[in-house]
Amino acid sequence: DAGVIQSPRHEVTEMGQEVTLRCKPISGHNSLFWYRQTMMRGLELLIYFNNNVPIDDSGMPEDRFSAKMPNASFSTLKIQPSEPRDSAVYFCASSLVGQGGVVEYFGPGTRLTVL
Amino acid sequence: GENVEQHPSTLSVQEGDSAVIKCTYSDSASNYFPWYKQELGKRPQLIIDIRSNVGEKKDQRIAVTLNKTAKHFSLHITETQPEDSAVYFCAAGGGFKTIFGAGTRLFVKA
Repeated sequence: DAGVIQSPRHEVTEMGQEVTLRCKPISGHNSLFWYRQTMMRGLELLIYFNNNVPIDDSGMPEDRFSAKMPNASFSTLKIQPSEPRDSAVYFCASSLVGQGGVVEYFGPGTRLTVL
Repeated sequence: GENVEQHPSTLSVQEGDSAVIKCTYSDSASNYFPWYKQELGKRPQLIIDIRSNVGEKKDQRIAVTLNKTAKHFSLHITETQPEDSAVYFCAAGGGFKTIFGAGTRLFVKA
């Protein structure tokens, strides 16, 4: 199993530009999570999906952030327009809910720098 | 709302000593308590977990304890080694999602 795949691994962009982060969860997993990690705020849950349906997006910081999961094997997190304070590492994680636990397997992350 | 508090935020120990990280959670419905280790520049990875029907679990040098009544759980690392240096996250879960603690940065001095 290749694990959770994220792309790009690094993204440098200028303020005001649109940024799209991509995630492919582990095959067979039914839940997907987007996290943001910074030194100041730690690991923050932005949104999570179950069976491709968004369950809780209360962690999404503002309307500039949006996430989609069009099918079981792909999700995107979009920031438009991007701002310097969005600079962070964004992790995608997936899990198989329903087996008595929610072990989350993290992808390698996307390091986003907004200049 | 749901919350997981983790202490200490930073922990420095001498190689060979033990390290203990403590967490408390607020949601009494939580029934799954994983611990993740994140090395510098890497992703968080599960190192051990415990479920609510178990009070203690051990895996080599790592052990976790759970007190559901007090809503406390702890990670114990014995005979620490320099490669144990990392950020450790506790978490509490049940249902779909997991609530993470703020993390403990562990330094093991050789």
